[in-house]
Amino acid sequence: GEDVEQSLFLSVREGDSSVINCTYTDSSSTYLYWYKQEPGAGLQLLTYIFSNMDMKQDQRLTVLLNKKDKHLSLRIADTQTGDSAIYFCAEKAGNTGKLIFGQGTTLQVKP
Amino acid sequence: GAGVSQSPSNKVTEKGKDVELRCDPISGHTALYWYRQSLGQGLEFLIYFQGNSAPDKSGLPSDRFSAERTGGSVSTLTIQRTQQEDSAVYLCASSLGGGAIYNEQFFGPGTRLTVL
Repeated sequence: GEDVEQSLFLSVREGDSSVINCTYTDSSSTYLYWYKQEPGAGLQLLTYIFSNMDMKQDQRLTVLLNKKDKHLSLRIADTQTGDSAIYFCAEKAGNTGKLIFGQGTTLQVKP
Repeated sequence: GAGVSQSPSNKVTEKGKDVELRCDPISGHTALYWYRQSLGQGLEFLIYFQGNSAPDKSGLPSDRFSAERTGGSVSTLTIQRTQQEDSAVYLCASSLGGGAIYNEQFFGPGTRLTVL
């Protein structure tokens, strides 16, 4: 079945790079996503990658996809205190619209 | 423009009571989704509506849960005979479409349900 796994917590210092990792099981996933959830706020799409790509860069964000190992990562360069949030990895399940989410990684940025 | 809205924002109920949660999707979005966010459980898919197709109910945890979408717009998630394990934040999302092509899902602020 479909399953997405993430580590639960990451702590970094302001200005460092953060790398959040995710593994998934559904090899038919067409799109993989990173969502951000700030305290008291809704989920916000940060970025996504199509399964035939291995890298996508968007300003401070770099997404790497290793389809063979079913491993996805999100790198945030020059991490700021405003980046503190929960980050969810998600895969699009097959040919449906539903998303399968990981448990979320809490990113703590220390000044 | 207006985003996805949900009501109520908070709901406290007693075990055994029925509750209804409402979602107003973004106008023109044909796909609507319900997810549940429980403490320590992450986000769990519940149900998905796409246009006039039969909904994908594969994520509903029990037959106490049901949802409908009237007129292809507003959706109501109903939980009958609520249990304490139903306590969670219920999130609704909508997108322009679903299926195989990319469609960003826009999430509402959620309804926090507490079952005493």
